Amino acid sequence: DTAVSQTPKYLVTQMGNDKSIKCEQNLGHDTMYWYKQDSKKFLKIMFSYNNKELIINETVPNRFSPKSPDKAHLNLHINSLELGDSAVYFCASSQGQALAFFGQGTRLTVV
Amino acid sequence: SQELEQSPQSLIVQEGKNLTINCTSSKTLYGLYWYKQKYGEGLIFLMMLQKGGEEKSHEKITAKLDEKKQQSSLHITASQPSHAGIYLCGADMTGGSGNTGKLIFGQGTTLQVKP
Repeated sequence: DTAVSQTPKYLVTQMGNDKSIKCEQNLGHDTMYWYKQDSKKFLKIMFSYNNKELIINETVPNRFSPKSPDKAHLNLHINSLELGDSAVYFCASSQGQALAFFGQGTRLTVV
Repeated sequence: SQELEQSPQSLIVQEGKNLTINCTSSKTLYGLYWYKQKYGEGLIFLMMLQKGGEEKSHEKITAKLDEKKQQSSLHITASQPSHAGIYLCGADMTGGSGNTGKLIFGQGTTLQVKP
């Protein structure tokens, strides 16, 4: 069983569209994250949720909205997609300090 | 400037050679994590270091955190093609009761191992 799973793995869409990326973890962790990896492989945190509560919200455009229906799921919805949103988005989960489990990533390409 | 600097940015070594990747910060690192990423895949957790002077090993990979907790190195002995990928260091710079699990990442080191 995959510990942290994201769908879809690849997403190609046109500018202006709205899209969602889903994430699920089956580890029983309390905390989940969204990270963005740009074309230079630089990985930066976007959001963090602990037990469905938002605890980190970095400087991210409000076109990005995370939603956590329960502590095992953290979805990312993006409105009005722009070319600069093209990146790989990683979901991750942790329990305590060790951030150890990442999903396989969603490669978003905006054309 | 980056809070966490990795060097080198890329590395090409002959199979069987040893190599070292460094991760440096001007701030105290309350937790230092090493990950490996292969193209098109997620991050694979390698090791976590927390104490000054701590050293951990897994197979042919050894990671150390210096006594001042501001620099870590990842050393691969007798490299193999399977070691190829992107190595990322991530650091918890908040620590204490304010720890949220947020990690700051270095820019990554791309390793190629030539057979």
